[in-house]
Amino acid sequence: GAGVSQTPSNKVTEKGKYVELRCDPISGHTALYWYRQSLGQGPEFLIYFQGTGAADDSGLPNDRFFAVRPEGSVSTLKIQRTERGDSAVYLCASSLRNQETQYFGPGTRLLVL
Amino acid sequence: GENVEQHPSTLSVQEGDSAVIKCTYSDSASNYFPWYKQELGKRPQLIIDIRSNVGEKKDQRIAVTLNKTAKHFSLHITETQPEDSAVYFCAASFGGGADGLTFGKGTHLIIQP
Repeated sequence: GAGVSQTPSNKVTEKGKYVELRCDPISGHTALYWYRQSLGQGPEFLIYFQGTGAADDSGLPNDRFFAVRPEGSVSTLKIQRTERGDSAVYLCASSLRNQETQYFGPGTRLLVL
Repeated sequence: GENVEQHPSTLSVQEGDSAVIKCTYSDSASNYFPWYKQELGKRPQLIIDIRSNVGEKKDQRIAVTLNKTAKHFSLHITETQPEDSAVYFCAASFGGGADGLTFGKGTHLIIQP
């Protein structure tokens, strides 16, 4: 079946702009996670959804970052007033239920100029 | 929060030899420990995982061991092959709504022909 998909695959933006990154989880997966991976580092947890609600947003670095999952399926990560330090690969993962195997998407490579 | 340390950062082994990667974690409440393999430019893929009620798990050439008392877990790959070359990440989570994974910094495994 179809895996986790993310769009766009690459995004180049200018400092100060607003961006939206989209994640389509595996059908039927109730848990959805966003991570950020900088070059040479492991993924860093940002936020976790169980259904429509954010069960844990403790990894969001500041209030410029926000994520939604209004219908319990597709999720959008929103970054306001982007900074050069936001440049990274943003990974989405989903699992059937919480604390089960997380399947990752291919990521969105964000470059802030 | 949880902290995961991973060693070594780079590991070079001869084809056919074994490779061992070690991780330690800080939070004794952690109970789920997956290992991911990531090839250059690709998404992380789960290769094996273990839960805290099990001390060892094996899947063909790959095994993981967990020592809860010492708070460390290890990945063992036997009879290494060129296609095992990649970056390997360990991770930990403790559920209860805090299901996001905390990753180690990764080990670059190089299989020498």
